[in-house]
Amino acid sequence: QKEVEQNSGPLSVPEGAIASLNCTYSDRVSQSFFWYRQYSGKSPELIMSIYSNGDKEDGRFTAQLNKASQYVSLLIRDSQPSDSATYLCAVIQGGGSYIPTFGRGTSLIVHP
Amino acid sequence: EAQVTQNPRYLITVTGKKLTVTCSQNMNHEYMSWYRQDPGLGLRQIYYSMNVEVTDKGDVPEGYKVSRKEKRNFPLILESPSPNQTSLYFCASSPQPNREKLFFGSGTQLSVL
Repeated sequence: QKEVEQNSGPLSVPEGAIASLNCTYSDRVSQSFFWYRQYSGKSPELIMSIYSNGDKEDGRFTAQLNKASQYVSLLIRDSQPSDSATYLCAVIQGGGSYIPTFGRGTSLIVHP
Repeated sequence: EAQVTQNPRYLITVTGKKLTVTCSQNMNHEYMSWYRQDPGLGLRQIYYSMNVEVTDKGDVPEGYKVSRKEKRNFPLILESPSPNQTSLYFCASSPQPNREKLFFGSGTQLSVL
């Protein structure tokens, strides 16, 4: 069964630090990778998408993809208390699938 | 405004009483889907639809039905709800789910007593 794994956390970091969130996936031919942020009781919202190996930066957020290691990560620089949320990794698996599979999410707490 | 509209936001019902959760999008998206979210289990897909009259099972379809008679609407039907279907439900749509983001509705918190 195709799986997307995330550490459930909580991951606690001080304000201003770098938060590093990790995600591994089982299907070697996965093609598209997304990070969603979800505040408690709210719907998920897209933060980053990445499709090729390497880093992709958008403001304070950097997504990193390593297909050989089947690993995707999200770095949040200068973490703020408002970044406290659950971060969901979503992967489009291979085999012609167009359907994202979500990890269980990592809870991030940024304390002042 | 581009949006996915789900109703109702909260629903409390009793075992066995049929219910429908509505979902509508105004972005002309072909792909629509339903997810349930439970503590510690993340988002699990129930059903999805790639176009009108085309639906397919996700990871947890048991106890649910869907229909896609119009492009904009994708209702979720629970014919005989049970307490294990108590959950937070999200509808989502996308123009191209493998390359574009999912647009989520605001969610429906369902409690089955």
